[in-house]
Amino acid sequence: EVQLVQSGAEVKKPGESLKISCKGSGYSFTSYWIGWVRQMPGKGLEWMGIIYPGDSDTRYSPSFQGQVTISADKSISTAYLQWSSLKASDTAMYYCVRPRNSGYADYWGQGTLVTVSS
Amino acid sequence: QSVLTQPPSVSGAPGQRVTISCTGSSSNIGAGYDVHWYQQLPGTAPKLLIYGNSNRPSGVPDRFSGSKSGTSASLAITGLQAEDEADYYCQSYDSSLSGEVFGTGTKVTVL
Repeated sequence: EVQLVQSGAEVKKPGESLKISCKGSGYSFTSYWIGWVRQMPGKGLEWMGIIYPGDSDTRYSPSFQGQVTISADKSISTAYLQWSSLKASDTAMYYCVRPRNSGYADYWGQGTLVTVSS
Repeated sequence: QSVLTQPPSVSGAPGQRVTISCTGSSSNIGAGYDVHWYQQLPGTAPKLLIYGNSNRPSGVPDRFSGSKSGTSASLAITGLQAEDEADYYCQSYDSSLSGEVFGTGTKVTVL
């Protein structure tokens, strides 16, 4: 059974750093892309970027380029989403997904709620 | 703001048919890229509903169907049920953004 299991909710202060994780299981982690999707409170879905764990090829949506870092450790089948300096506007639910070649996400993680507040 | 536009809300009585539109442009849907649809029940992660314009993953009822024409796509729900009350999002690839984009989302209310 394919599963994407994300790390737990986080509460941080503005300016702090953060790295959340997504562990894939039930499939060959290095053979599929992993992506991240943001959903701000009461808002829609936003595609942030993707990484191919097999060779670490990473692509960011223009709105998120330079704002976050996507990485992966294939030895432990885990992808990461990282911030170096959080802002209040980073408060959102973040989902990891498994995009197929034509773009659709067939599996979703349960989501990680990130709250940034002073 | 998203490059794929959906109506903010649609509603229907149980048993009725509702449709949700997803309007794009020549850099996404009109360029021939596939459209996919997701259902997000309250408080849960989105779930794939339709992929490749009109294909249903295993387990998705055939009450849900998708179509695409020109620069737009549509999701139809026939025999509307109370459990269909959720937010629905379309998704496609946009060549000007060089990446995937979601629609603005539509809330379906069962009256």
